[in-house]
Amino acid sequence: SQQGEEDPQALSIQEGENATMNCSYKTSINNLQWYRQNSGRGLVHLILIRSNEREKHSGRLRVTLDTSKKSSSLLITASRAADTASYFCATDSSGNTPLVFGKGTRLSVIA
Amino acid sequence: DAGVIQSPRHEVTEMGQEVTLRCKPISGHNSLFWYRQTMMRGLELLIYFNNNVPIDDSGMPEDRFSAKMPNASFSTLKIQPSEPRDSAVYFCASNIPGGTDTQYFGPGTRLTVL
Repeated sequence: SQQGEEDPQALSIQEGENATMNCSYKTSINNLQWYRQNSGRGLVHLILIRSNEREKHSGRLRVTLDTSKKSSSLLITASRAADTASYFCATDSSGNTPLVFGKGTRLSVIA
Repeated sequence: DAGVIQSPRHEVTEMGQEVTLRCKPISGHNSLFWYRQTMMRGLELLIYFNNNVPIDDSGMPEDRFSAKMPNASFSTLKIQPSEPRDSAVYFCASNIPGGTDTQYFGPGTRLTVL
């Protein structure tokens, strides 16, 4: 079953603009992760935020987590054409359970 | 480290044929996951192993699907007989703890069943 749901399903922006993707989930979590998938490739881990954290940064990435709203956002600042990819959120509910992935947001950055 | 290795990268077969997908996890990772990705259903977890033992195979769609992990460095996903609706990209991923934290994905096998 799908735990995380990304929004929007697709996003097209100009190079240099910021891109914001959202993820909502249903049950309580230990942590939430964001992954990136380039066309024809496997998923690559970007960033992990734990349930007791509210915000995390990594380079041009900023992730927020609101456990009261069961939602997270991924912000990519100063986007580049190379950021074009699909972005997935994945949640880890508790203990020894596997990650559950959303269906992803397809980001297109136009040069 | 070479990362997670999957073979073949592409497989085209005819309906009714047996298909075997292979995965070599990252050395030292003791959890292995098989996923299927389609446009309609997104990324679905099929089965995962901890220390070579299958833990949860509830995502395996039918008895036509089976997975094995005979040792810590090798796993197979078999479909017999294959059907056109099995066409998808199959990913293998591995990590260190059981099912938590970062997962490392292979490049995937694109399966087409005619």
